[in-house]
Amino acid sequence: GQQLNQSPQSMFIQEGEDVSMNCTSSSIFNTWLWYKQDPGEGPVLLIALYKAGELTSNGRLTAQFGTTRKDSFLNISASIPSDVGIYFCAGGGRDDKIIFGKGTRLHILP
Amino acid sequence: KAGVTQTPRYLIKTRGQQVTLSCSPISGHRSVSWYQQTPGQGLQFLFEYFSETQRNKGNFPGRFSGRQFSNSRSEMNVSTLELGDSALYLCASSLNPDSGANVLTFGAGSRLTVL
Repeated sequence: GQQLNQSPQSMFIQEGEDVSMNCTSSSIFNTWLWYKQDPGEGPVLLIALYKAGELTSNGRLTAQFGTTRKDSFLNISASIPSDVGIYFCAGGGRDDKIIFGKGTRLHILP
Repeated sequence: KAGVTQTPRYLIKTRGQQVTLSCSPISGHRSVSWYQQTPGQGLQFLFEYFSETQRNKGNFPGRFSGRQFSNSRSEMNVSTLELGDSALYLCASSLNPDSGANVLTFGAGSRLTVL
């Protein structure tokens, strides 16, 4: 079945640093989504991408839909403490089923 | 506009029991999906309902079932609970799965602990 490989699994960074994470798959997706989950809460949508090559920003977040439609990346610039959490990529295929990566857990060192 | 509401938020069951979880989608959303989240496996797709019909199903045993009512509210049931069923169960709603932009809005989840 379809699978997403999300990396890295976890990151430890200093406040103010930039962050980059990505998702790859052997399958083609029509939609790429990036979510963030805070402890005790459900994931919240950060960015949605609908077109191959699309580059979208949301404040300090930037995400791109890979041209092959098999990958996507998320960048966070100038990280702040509230960026801590788990980031999930998700891909939507032709069957409308949305598949999630296993997440990247972001830690910010004081 | 109220978000996706899941009840109960927390529950503890013992092996062999069954459990029913409830989800009320955002008003106007007609599609409801369920995911199981565990630390090692991330979010695993359980099933998706639209207009009271199951549209998609993940790779879970038949002990996991669900349904959707005419008001789009959904329930999922797990029978004969096993220790490995302990997880956060997330419900997500979307407007219409055929819109071509199936963005999910999640509830806060129901955390199930099986003892």
